[in-house]
Amino acid sequence: AQSVAQPEDQVNVAEGNPLTVKCTYSVSGNPYLFWYVQYPNRGLQFLLKYITGDNLVKGSYGFEAEFNKSQTSFHLKKPSALVSDSALYFCAVRGSAGNTPLVFGKGTRLSVIA
Amino acid sequence: DAGITQSPRHKVTETGTPVTLRCHQTENHRYMYWYRQDPGHGLRLIHYSYGVKDTDKGEVSDGYSVSRSKTEDFLLTLESATSSQTSVYFCAISDARPGGGVEAYNEQFFGPGTRLTVL
Repeated sequence: AQSVAQPEDQVNVAEGNPLTVKCTYSVSGNPYLFWYVQYPNRGLQFLLKYITGDNLVKGSYGFEAEFNKSQTSFHLKKPSALVSDSALYFCAVRGSAGNTPLVFGKGTRLSVIA
Repeated sequence: DAGITQSPRHKVTETGTPVTLRCHQTENHRYMYWYRQDPGHGLRLIHYSYGVKDTDKGEVSDGYSVSRSKTEDFLLTLESATSSQTSVYFCAISDARPGGGVEAYNEQFFGPGTRLTVL
């Protein structure tokens, strides 16, 4: 069975500072990894994904994520946080065996303080 | 929200009543999903569909049923609503890229959600 852990319920960062939102996963076979963002009273929006290739993946709004196979991690990063980045962030994984749906983590609330 | 609508957007109902939520897509995507979102639990899969009349259970399917009679619509039914089903429900869609065998690569796109309160 596949699973995702987001160890931090809340991350606080000052505007202009780098941010990291952590994610670790467990899956059989090769992982397909995703990050989504949810703004208040909205659905989830896709940010980026890792399928294969370069371990550093670039996505929307200046976000990037680093895939680390040995640590089974896929941390979301941004070099300089904006107040508008404040939102709920979800990591998700699916395995390579068949068309299994995404499994989501519990989410991490990011607060960027001006 | 990628051509996905959900109806109703808000609903308040009483325990024991049947409730049907509708997800409609205009993207002609093959796969459709129903999730519920609850604080401390993230998103949990209820049911999903991989084609017309083809559905499967997810992690939290008890008390829910689904139907998909045409590509664009995926219905979620609570036969007899309970207070534990108070939640925000999200529909999602995804598709397979040409060439086959790479369905796993595709991200899901989400609808705006339905907030359901069962009193």
